Amino acid sequence: AQKITQTQPGMFVQEKEAVTLDCTYDTSDPSYGLFWYKQPSSGEMIFLIYQGSYDQQNATEGRYSLNFQKARKSANLVISASQLGDSAMYFCAMRRGGSQGNLIFGKGTKLSVKP
Amino acid sequence: SAVISQKPSRDICQRGTSLTIQCQVDSQVTMMFWYRQQPGQSLTLIATANQGSEATYESGFVIDKFPISRPNLTFSTLTVSNMSPEDSSIYLCSGWDRGLFFGPGTRLTVL
Repeated sequence: AQKITQTQPGMFVQEKEAVTLDCTYDTSDPSYGLFWYKQPSSGEMIFLIYQGSYDQQNATEGRYSLNFQKARKSANLVISASQLGDSAMYFCAMRRGGSQGNLIFGKGTKLSVKP
Repeated sequence: SAVISQKPSRDICQRGTSLTIQCQVDSQVTMMFWYRQQPGQSLTLIATANQGSEATYESGFVIDKFPISRPNLTFSTLTVSNMSPEDSSIYLCSGWDRGLFFGPGTRLTVL
């Protein structure tokens, strides 16, 4: 069965420092996609970054990068130069085989950025 | 990326009533999805809204409880029927446009 695991319920980081949010996954599908979303207290889900299982390079989007280690089945999110506005819940998700938008989500990590 | 809006943004409803949530996308998207986020929990897919045909429901969700319409490629509705306090959640509409993008969500409280 497919599964996403986020083992860090909460994380603290000092403003301007980098932080890594962990995500491991389990799937037997050879083709899959991994996503990271940010959910501020307002409740909206903001798409951050995507990594395809066949992508040769790690995905990057501005201050966000995805450390994809296929053999370890991990897809950690790295946020560089943290800002106060980065304080939010972060969810890792994996696309199930077949449907593009059928994602399974991890339980999330609450990131708090300290001034 | 597609911009998705939802109405209402929040509502407080009485047990036994129904609420219809509307989802509008600013461009045509092939696939639309409805997710639920119960308090303090992660997101769970309710169903895939198929244009011109019946929605495809995930295990644990049924059409009688969560009827879905999708009359065209930019609009969908989700109805939460015969509500109970356990239905209190955030309901999120999403669409696929080179990635899965979400609407702002509808916060539903059932008393």
